[in-house]
Amino acid sequence: GQNIDQPTEMTATEGAIVQINCTYQTSGFNGLFWYQQHAGEAPTFLSYNVLDGLEEKGRFSSFLSRSKGYSYLLLKELQMKDSASYLCAVKRERYSTLTFGKGTMLLVSP
Amino acid sequence: DTEVTQTPKHLVMGMTNKKSLKCEQHMGHRAMYWYKQKAKKPPELMFVYSYEKLSINESVPSRFSPECPNSSLLNLHLHALQPEDSALYLCASSQPRHNTGELFFGEGSRLTVL
Repeated sequence: GQNIDQPTEMTATEGAIVQINCTYQTSGFNGLFWYQQHAGEAPTFLSYNVLDGLEEKGRFSSFLSRSKGYSYLLLKELQMKDSASYLCAVKRERYSTLTFGKGTMLLVSP
Repeated sequence: DTEVTQTPKHLVMGMTNKKSLKCEQHMGHRAMYWYKQKAKKPPELMFVYSYEKLSINESVPSRFSPECPNSSLLNLHLHALQPEDSALYLCASSQPRHNTGELFFGEGSRLTVL
């Protein structure tokens, strides 16, 4: 089976930096995804890590440590529109299916 | 704009009704998925089709019946649903054996069962 943990809620201020952590215990690991989901909308892809290290993409970066079963999503220069749920998802080895964590609701305030 | 299109966006049905949710993608993806998402919960996998064949059924009740008429279309037929089946139903697609296997989601069909 798979167990994915991430904080339920986080708050931050506009312009700040926030780090959202995700830990996982899984068999057959084949990559970790971060998705952003605004209320009532579909999840949208943010990042993918399959090897250890940091992947940077604009204001968003994601880190993976496979030995520790740990990932984080780093958001810089926060904007109000970044208020959303951030979903950590682990990919199974077969069929590219994803198992999602419960999501972290991020609230960015002025 | 999403490249995965789902219809209808909203559906209200009684427990004795028969209805269908539809999903279409034109990205040439050969894997398609149905996920169910309750409020403030993560998406939960229901079905996976790979090359138009059902490859995964996550022990979904038979009142949900998936169908993949061709590589671009995915349907979810609904019959005799329960109020607890009310949720957002998300369709997604991906390219099997692609290096990331990223899922592209549709905007979902919000289902209410009375």
